[in-house]
Amino acid sequence: EAGVAQSPRYKIIEKRQSVAFWCNPISGHATLYWYQQILGQGPKLLIQFQNNGVVDDSQLPKDRFSAERLKGVDSTLKIQPAKLEDSAVYLCASSLGHTNTEAFFGQGTRLTVV
Amino acid sequence: DQQVKQNSPSLSVQEGRISILNCDYTNSMFDYFLWYKKYPAEGPTFLISISSIKDKNEDGRFTVFLNKSAKHLSLHIVPSQPGDSAVYFCAAKRYGGSQGNLIFGKGTKLSVKP
Repeated sequence: EAGVAQSPRYKIIEKRQSVAFWCNPISGHATLYWYQQILGQGPKLLIQFQNNGVVDDSQLPKDRFSAERLKGVDSTLKIQPAKLEDSAVYLCASSLGHTNTEAFFGQGTRLTVV
Repeated sequence: DQQVKQNSPSLSVQEGRISILNCDYTNSMFDYFLWYKKYPAEGPTFLISISSIKDKNEDGRFTVFLNKSAKHLSLHIVPSQPGDSAVYFCAAKRYGGSQGNLIFGKGTKLSVKP
């Protein structure tokens, strides 16, 4: 069974530029999460999708971050414009449902904003 | 306001001995707890979980204990092996509803010395 796929693995951009990350979840997983992990911290949820609908985006900085999962499968997360404090690893995860089932994580995208 | 706390940033253990990683939580609505293991440059991988209706769950060398009255859980690894060296994250969630996202602690870096 293929795992959660993310691309790119690494990205370096200048502040005020835009960037996009892509995630393909495990086949059949209805729930998709985007997490931000700053160095030395645990992952923090940015947005959660159930199929193509947003379940929770309360911690997404909506002035600069956006995410979509149009067909209920793969998803993109965009930052525009980027700030220095956005430097982090962006993790995508998926799970069968949104109740007590474990989430499976991709390898993440390490973003450096200079 | 950190709802899930891992107060030990690091732990060093000799191979063959027991590793005990601790986690405290503040939100009494949490009723499902998970441990994730993370190697450098990889996403977190699910290790073991426990529901609040149990006080212990065992899977091979890994056992998780839950003390609801103290809002405390611990992960025991015995015997510890060098391959167990990684960062361990404790995570918690509320069962059901739309709030199915995971709240993570900051992680504990375990080093198992040969």
